[in-house]
Amino acid sequence: AQKITQTQPGMFVQEKEAVTLDCTYDTSDQSYGLFWYKQPSSGEMIFLIYQGSYDEQNATEGRYSLNFQKARKSANLVISASQLGDSAMYFCAMLTPIQFYFGTGTSLTVIP
Amino acid sequence: DAEITQSPRHKITETGRQVTLACHQTWNHNNMFWYRQDLGHGLRLIHYSYGVQDTNKGEVSDGYSVSRSNTEDLPLTLESAASSQTSVYFCASSTGAEQYFGPGTRLTVT
Repeated sequence: AQKITQTQPGMFVQEKEAVTLDCTYDTSDQSYGLFWYKQPSSGEMIFLIYQGSYDEQNATEGRYSLNFQKARKSANLVISASQLGDSAMYFCAMLTPIQFYFGTGTSLTVIP
Repeated sequence: DAEITQSPRHKITETGRQVTLACHQTWNHNNMFWYRQDLGHGLRLIHYSYGVQDTNKGEVSDGYSVSRSNTEDLPLTLESAASSQTSVYFCASSTGAEQYFGPGTRLTVT
């Protein structure tokens, strides 16, 4: 069963605009963590942001914020003031006590 | 600086051969992971280890094995390589939440 769902295969955003990348998850565990990773065309996986299931406040890291809605089981990534260097694949992931699950990714293209 | 490395970075092998991909980390992390990345599937967990002598199967473990004899290394072995195992392989390590990824190994099985 799909544990992490990213429904947007590709997204476009104008430079300097904000963009939201969607992620929904499925787990019966009470304790879990949610992550976003960036994979540029060079191939490396870059950690962006983390949200714990018990964290009451949404995580923020610079221009990245995670919109965590526990009841809806969603963990959307918001990138503010998009830059050309933000063009990349973005993966949502979930860590449960058992395993680590990744979504299929969203390709983001920032348009000048 | 601490790091995680993978070798080789590129490998071409023939069907049926045994192949071992190396992963070495200097973070001194207890947890290590192997993933494969394929178009349309994202990253899928192959095997993971929470410490020396500990290994566990992930989502797509068939045809792969790992062993953990020390903290720094988690080699991934393809017992008899198949064309379906052509992929990009990522190793990662962590102490808990955040995972640090290696640069990846592109494996082609012909």
